Amino acid sequence: DQQVKQNSPSLSVQEGRISILNCDYTNSMFDYFLWYKKYPAEGPTFLISISSIKDKNEDGRFTVFLNKSAKHLSLHIVPSQPGDSAVYFCAASAMNTGFQKLVFGTGTRLLVSP
Amino acid sequence: EADIYQTPRYLVIGTGKKITLECSQTMGHDKMYWYQQDPGMELHLIHYSYGVNSTEKGDLSSESTVSRIRTEHFPLTLESARPSHTSQYLCASSGLGRDTFYEQYFGPGTRLTVT
Repeated sequence: DQQVKQNSPSLSVQEGRISILNCDYTNSMFDYFLWYKKYPAEGPTFLISISSIKDKNEDGRFTVFLNKSAKHLSLHIVPSQPGDSAVYFCAASAMNTGFQKLVFGTGTRLLVSP
Repeated sequence: EADIYQTPRYLVIGTGKKITLECSQTMGHDKMYWYQQDPGMELHLIHYSYGVNSTEKGDLSSESTVSRIRTEHFPLTLESARPSHTSQYLCASSGLGRDTFYEQYFGPGTRLTVT
């Protein structure tokens, strides 16, 4: 049973436009959420995170929004650049359940075309 | 700069062989992890460690074993490789503080193929 779902396996966006990647979760115990970025033949790289006490966190071109009532988070990239083309993984964790494991989604492949 | 290394990067090996996947980090991180990922699928935690002499099994059952004799080293061993073990194996580590846990630094991965 997948607790973290990324229902869009791929997304294509033009350079300069906004990229919106979505993630849904089912476990109400999750209280910390992260986005990782992965290039081919490399390991995932931490991108941005958000605690459940917030509904928005911004870092440069990247903003993560959290809607706890809908159990939904999204990553906005503005403006999108060709170098952003990668697979993006959503991950979640429940800090109050002992060892804080990360539960990952299946990823969304973003392609930003010039 | 995060420094976590995995060797080999690619490995093709026959059924029944014993293999060890190496993982080392130079950041002094106490927590280390092994994930398994199949193409198009999520990363599954198979082993983790709080520190030296600590190892625990993750969410996904795995026939592999791990050891943590030194802080910087977290090797994964398969005693007898099978085709079902074909996958990508990713090692990660995270820092000393509570808040730094989430920023797990990943190695480049080992792509294992068992024929």
